[in-house]
Amino acid sequence: EDQVTQSPEALRLQEGESSSLNCSYTVSGLRGLFWYRQDPGKGPEFLFTLYSAGEEKEKERLKATLTKKESFLHITAPKPEDSATYLCAVPGGNEKLTFGTGTRLTIIP
Amino acid sequence: EAQVTQNPRYLITVTGKKLTVTCSQNMNHEYMSWYRQDPGLGLRQIYYSMNVEVTDKGDVPEGYKVSRKEKRNFPLILESPSPNQTSLYFCASSSEYSNQPQHFGDGTRLSIL
Repeated sequence: EDQVTQSPEALRLQEGESSSLNCSYTVSGLRGLFWYRQDPGKGPEFLFTLYSAGEEKEKERLKATLTKKESFLHITAPKPEDSATYLCAVPGGNEKLTFGTGTRLTIIP
Repeated sequence: EAQVTQNPRYLITVTGKKLTVTCSQNMNHEYMSWYRQDPGLGLRQIYYSMNVEVTDKGDVPEGYKVSRKEKRNFPLILESPSPNQTSLYFCASSSEYSNQPQHFGDGTRLSIL
């Protein structure tokens, strides 16, 4: 059974304080890994797809990396508007999609 | 504008009264899916559909039905809702397979009394 575990559950940072969020996964045959951002009361918003170990993607202050067992979402010099819940997900071979429970990120001005 | 539209956005109803949550996408996507989101449990897939007339169970299909008669629509049906189906529901679509980025609707908050 596919499994996705995210840590930490919640993270509070001062504005400008860089950190990383972790997503570890177990899936038979990696077909990709997604990162999404979710704001309160909204649907998840797509950020990145990573398809193979060693791949990296960047968008503004966010950078996602992928190894064979986990993915990291690095946030550099965050701003208050980066506060959100960050979700990762992996597709299974049967076309199901498994999400982690997310990391709730709060950036304090 | 590319979007996934869910209706209603909010619904309070009573146990046993059949309800349907509609989902429509305007991107000509093949893959559509329903999720429920509960505190501490995250997003869990209920049903998904690879194409018209093709549907499959996700991780939590009990108590739900779906149909895919047209490519753009994927309604979620609760034949006899119960309080444990109180949740926030999301519909999503992607171009072809589950390993393509999903576009999500804004959610439907269901309360079953």
